Amino acid sequence: GENVEQHPSTLSVQEGDSAVIKCTYSDSASNYFPWYKQELGKGPQLIIDIRSNVGEKKDQRIAVTLNKTAKHFSLHITETQPEDSAVYFCAARPLLKLTFGTGTQLKVEL
Amino acid sequence: GAGVSQSPSNKVTEKGKDVELRCDPISGHTALYWYRQSLGQGLEFLIYFQGNSAPDKSGLPSDRFSAERTGGSVSTLTIQRTQQEDSAVYLCASSLGGQSSYEQYFGPGTRLTVT
Repeated sequence: GENVEQHPSTLSVQEGDSAVIKCTYSDSASNYFPWYKQELGKGPQLIIDIRSNVGEKKDQRIAVTLNKTAKHFSLHITETQPEDSAVYFCAARPLLKLTFGTGTQLKVEL
Repeated sequence: GAGVSQSPSNKVTEKGKDVELRCDPISGHTALYWYRQSLGQGLEFLIYFQGNSAPDKSGLPSDRFSAERTGGSVSTLTIQRTQQEDSAVYLCASSLGGQSSYEQYFGPGTRLTVT
């Protein structure tokens, strides 16, 4: 089955700096890669996703890149703000189920 | 519109008791998923329903776990004879369904504590 690895497990940045979270996957059949943000006590919220026919997608301060050859994809957050502090999960979808990474705790410090 | 809702939000039960967790998906979504999130961990797939097809139960950790979906909408996850290791947040997600539908939307989860 699919295996998704996510790094780093924790990330601390200064407000205004950029944050990058990286994931690798194992199943070349995966064709959909979403990113979720989870705040304390809440369910995961879909923030951006990318499909395998696209190499990069951007939505305001958030961007995702995908390298299918290397089987890795990354989340980029620019101009970080305190409200970006949360746990971020990547996922990959080879069939109809999502396989999630283990999460990155992002802390944006003032 | 209304998102995915789950009830109860918190459940404390004694070891050995049965519990039922409920999920109301987004209206019109034919696919429904259950995940488990243990403290500080990622999301672990449990079971997937798509329309009237047989559910994919490949993620259920033991035969103490079961789920049903009545009328293609509301779903109930049942854990029998609960154990302390069952303590976790149980998350439900729904999707439009089908191979071309990708986005999954999550509910707030049910935090289960087994004492």
